[in-house]
Amino acid sequence: AQSVTQLGSHVSVSEGALVLLRCNYSSSVPPYLFWYVQYPNQGLQLLLKYTTGATLVKGINGFEAEFKKSETSFHLTKPSAHMSDAAEYFCAVGILIGNEKLTFGTGTRLTIIP
Amino acid sequence: ETGVTQTPRHLVMGMTNKKSLKCEQHLGHNAMYWYKQSAKKPLELMFVYNFKEQTENNSVPSRFSPECPNSSHLFLHLHTLQPEDSALYLCASSQALAGVSYEQYFGPGTRLTVT
Repeated sequence: AQSVTQLGSHVSVSEGALVLLRCNYSSSVPPYLFWYVQYPNQGLQLLLKYTTGATLVKGINGFEAEFKKSETSFHLTKPSAHMSDAAEYFCAVGILIGNEKLTFGTGTRLTIIP
Repeated sequence: ETGVTQTPRHLVMGMTNKKSLKCEQHLGHNAMYWYKQSAKKPLELMFVYNFKEQTENNSVPSRFSPECPNSSHLFLHLHTLQPEDSALYLCASSQALAGVSYEQYFGPGTRLTVT
């Protein structure tokens, strides 16, 4: 079975500062990894995904994440935070063999300080 | 626009009412999902359908009854709910092939309040 841990349920950064949201996963088989963003009273929107190939993946809104197998991590970063980035972010893991489910982390609420 | 629509967006119902939530996906996917999202709790997977067949029921109480008439439509029938069932109900779809977990696309959710 796979699992996801998001370190920090709340993260605050100043506008223009680096955003770093942490995600560690556990999987006995090669994983697929995803980051989603959720704005208030909306559904989850796919930010980016890692399946195979290049370990640094770029997503929408200037976000990127790097798959590090040795560290079982898939941290989300953005060089310069914008007020519109304030939202909740979810990391999720799927697997190559098994079933069609994704396992989601508990989410990190990102607050941007003006 | 994510290609997954949900109606209604908001629903208030009494504990003795019967109502249904509807989800429709326009992405040509074969798998559909119901999730429950409560305040201060992780996202809870409720049901999974793949090619109209239910492949997952995560110990959901029988007062929630799913229906998947085809790969594009998913319903959640509700009856005799409890106040603790108040939550955001999210529908998602994905192209799930040969047991591989591809990305899921979510609808905007139905905010349910049980009074």
